[in-house]
Amino acid sequence: DTEVTQTPKHLVMGMTNKKSLKCEQHMGHRAMYWYKQKAKKPPELMFVYSYEKLSINESVPSRFSPECPNSSLLNLHLHALQPEDSALYLCASSQDHEAESTYEQYFGPGTRLTVT
Amino acid sequence: AQSVTQLGSHVSVSEGALVLLRCNYSSSVPPYLFWYVQYPNQGLQLLLKYTTGATLVKGINGFEAEFKKSETSFHLTKPSAHMSDAAEYFCAVTLYSSASKIIFGSGTRLSIRP
Repeated sequence: DTEVTQTPKHLVMGMTNKKSLKCEQHMGHRAMYWYKQKAKKPPELMFVYSYEKLSINESVPSRFSPECPNSSLLNLHLHALQPEDSALYLCASSQDHEAESTYEQYFGPGTRLTVT
Repeated sequence: AQSVTQLGSHVSVSEGALVLLRCNYSSSVPPYLFWYVQYPNQGLQLLLKYTTGATLVKGINGFEAEFKKSETSFHLTKPSAHMSDAAEYFCAVTLYSSASKIIFGSGTRLSIRP
């Protein structure tokens, strides 16, 4: 199984709402990622979890809060977002770099987020 | 620091024609190189990768790429385009020392003319 799943597929939220994005993988990968992708642009890295610990935070605003409850799950909690946060949010996973690995990341289908 | 440049934000070819998408990288150490494809409203799918060994790499859907160290290039080709190849293509690089961080190129949108 080389699948990364994400829910929901689409999300519309107001600027005062609190919502969460979910990501799941069952490939035994120990690194998981959140990316933000604006239209016609490449994905931008937001967070990296390695062995369930946050290892990289690319200076993301605190209104985005990641969580890794276990090695298969990754959440992104959203609060007080701005309209400019509207984008496609992609989750990815890979074998941790300490393993014998070719480092490719496997991506989920994404959550299309609209902030109104 | 490493970087990736994709020449041409939009490439249009006729169905059955050769597809050539260009990618050049900058890296002070041997890189790992990838091509990803993204269909509309979907995530990214790995097409192929180069790590070490054979410089001509074959991927899915009939695509291949050749790592040319002297030219710092990793161009993607397909002998005969199909309508289903229409998508956004991203070249990417990562290093062993920072394997968690992929550096993506700006992307090339491939259109196929009937």
